Order: sequence, then C-alpha cells, then structure tokens
Amino acid sequence: GAVVSQHPSRVICKSGTSVKIECRSLDFQATTMFWYRQFPKQSLMLMATSNEGSKATYEQGVEKDKFLINHASLTLSTLTVTSAHPEDSSFYICSARAVRTGVTDTQYFGPGTRLTVL
Amino acid sequence: AQRVTQPEKLLSVFKGAPVELKCNYSYSGSPELFWYVQYSRQRLQLLLRHISRESIKGFTADLNKGETSFHLKKPFAQEEDSAMYYCALNTGFQKLVFGTGTRLLVSP
Repeated sequence: GAVVSQHPSRVICKSGTSVKIECRSLDFQATTMFWYRQFPKQSLMLMATSNEGSKATYEQGVEKDKFLINHASLTLSTLTVTSAHPEDSSFYICSARAVRTGVTDTQYFGPGTRLTVL
Repeated sequence: AQRVTQPEKLLSVFKGAPVELKCNYSYSGSPELFWYVQYSRQRLQLLLRHISRESIKGFTADLNKGETSFHLKKPFAQEEDSAMYYCALNTGFQKLVFGTGTRLLVSP
C-alpha cells in the first residue's frame, strides 16, 4: 500500500528558532501534498496545499512567511516553521495525494510531527 | 460555508450493539464525503468514501442530500472498532474539511 512518512516524529525547540519537517511518499509519486495542523482534542485544519514544482497555496489565516513550504520533488515536501513561538506548538500532519490512472483519487496520511516550542 | 459537523465527541457502546456515528455537512456544491479512522497510536486512514458505496469492516455510510448527512453505521460493534472517527468533505481538488471527530469506545 501507499505509505507516507514524516520526519522528525517529535521535535522540541527554543523560541525563535526554525524547524523543518519533512513529508515523503515512499512508494508512489505525489504531485500534491497537504499540510494540516491539529490542536489537542481538536480536528485537523488544512494549512496549505503543496504542489510539486510550483508555489504552495495557503488557507485563509495561515501566514505563508511563517510556514514555508517546499515541494521540490514528486516524493518530498517540507514545512519550515520559521521563528517558532510557543503558540506554534502543535501536531503537524501531512498527506499525499495518489493519483493513478483508473484508480480513485486517494489521500494518504503521514504519522504526524509533534512540535513543542519552549 | 463549508462545514462538517460531528455532534458527538464520544460514543460508548457494548460489543455487539449497533453503532451510528453522525455526520452532517454544509456545502453548496455536489458533496464528496469520506470517513477516516484513527486507531490508537496510528495514523489517519481512509475507512470509506460515499462514491464507492462500499462496506469496509462492516461499516457503511449513505449520503443523504436531503438531510445533508453522511452517518456511519455498523450493525454489530466489535472491540477492535474502538478508535477516533472523522468525517471529511472534499471541497475541491481533494482539499478536505474535517469534522471534530467522534471517539468510539466499544466495551466487552
């Protein structure tokens, strides 16, 4: 089956530093990846859509300069939280859209990255 | 407004009892709806989608456009069904809006 990995699974950083989170599709190519944020006991909120070879599109209210997204290849998207602050602490989840001829469009999720900003 | 509502945060049933997890949506276009499940310490995974009209692990869900609902049902719950269930709406190009989730707890 289609597998999506995230690295790191957990990161703790000091306020003001930048943190990079990687999302990889391991056995399929993904022209589109999505980044979500999940606060404790709340639902997933879509932050941005990452498109291979083009700029990411951000949801309303998400600062693009704060959350930098790069989708440099068909199997890798990165989310960089710049100048992180405690309010950025959250669970970040990526998903990759698998589009194959004759197969219904499906989204596969990574295991998530827990970010804690001190 | 595009919205998915799951009114129950927790649903607790005994093994063998019927289960219905409620999901209502608000969407101006033709809806495409999904149920995702997250078992303990595991990632989110697709359970079923309405366009497939399939039954997965005994679960079914029917889209009712009149009631704008997509409730998830299973006639006889099993302990291994205990998990977090999310209803999701495709708002275009697979951009998903998720409900707040319902935790299903099946007791022996």
